[in-house]
Amino acid sequence: EDQVTQSPEALRLQEGESSSLNCSYTVSGLRGLFWYRQDPGKGPEFLFTLYSAGEEKEKERLKATLTKKESFLHITAPKPEDSATYLCAVQAAEKLVFGKGTKLTVNP
Amino acid sequence: NAGVMQNPRHLVRRRGQEARLRCSPMKGHSHVYWYRQLPEEGLKFMVYLQKENIIDESGMPKERFSAEFPKEGPSILRIQQVVRGDSAAYFCASSQRDRGGNEQYFGPGTRLTVT
Repeated sequence: EDQVTQSPEALRLQEGESSSLNCSYTVSGLRGLFWYRQDPGKGPEFLFTLYSAGEEKEKERLKATLTKKESFLHITAPKPEDSATYLCAVQAAEKLVFGKGTKLTVNP
Repeated sequence: NAGVMQNPRHLVRRRGQEARLRCSPMKGHSHVYWYRQLPEEGLKFMVYLQKENIIDESGMPKERFSAEFPKEGPSILRIQQVVRGDSAAYFCASSQRDRGGNEQYFGPGTRLTVT
């Protein structure tokens, strides 16, 4: 069964304190791994797609990496506006299978 | 605004009533997906549609739920005879399905409350 596990469930950082979020997955035939950001009361906002092990993508203070079993979302020098829930998903056939997310809080 | 649009944003229904949720995909997108998010749960796939076709409905409850994406107009997710357990946020996503990937762009969601 296709499965995505994210850790930690919640993470509190001080502004400027870098860290990483983990996404472990099992899927038969990875066609893509996706990172989204979700703010309270809003829909998920697309961040990155990774297709193969070794691939990396960056956007501002975020960097996503991919291995054969997991993906990391690295947050460098976060700011309070980076506070959100970060969702990881894998493509299984035509649908996305999501993890439960990591709720990130960045304190000023 | 070229994003995915959903309406209504909030919907309150009494047990036994019908709920209709609408989704207009991003301009140029012909693939629509519906997901449900329960409190403290992850997003769960419900159904995948293209114009006039249901491609994958493996995540849809067998009874009371139906979806359509007509040739003209928005995609509709319909829930008949709602129960309290249907209370959730329902998100629609759309994609182009190009470049071999499947970036899905989500709407703001419809929050359904069943009283």
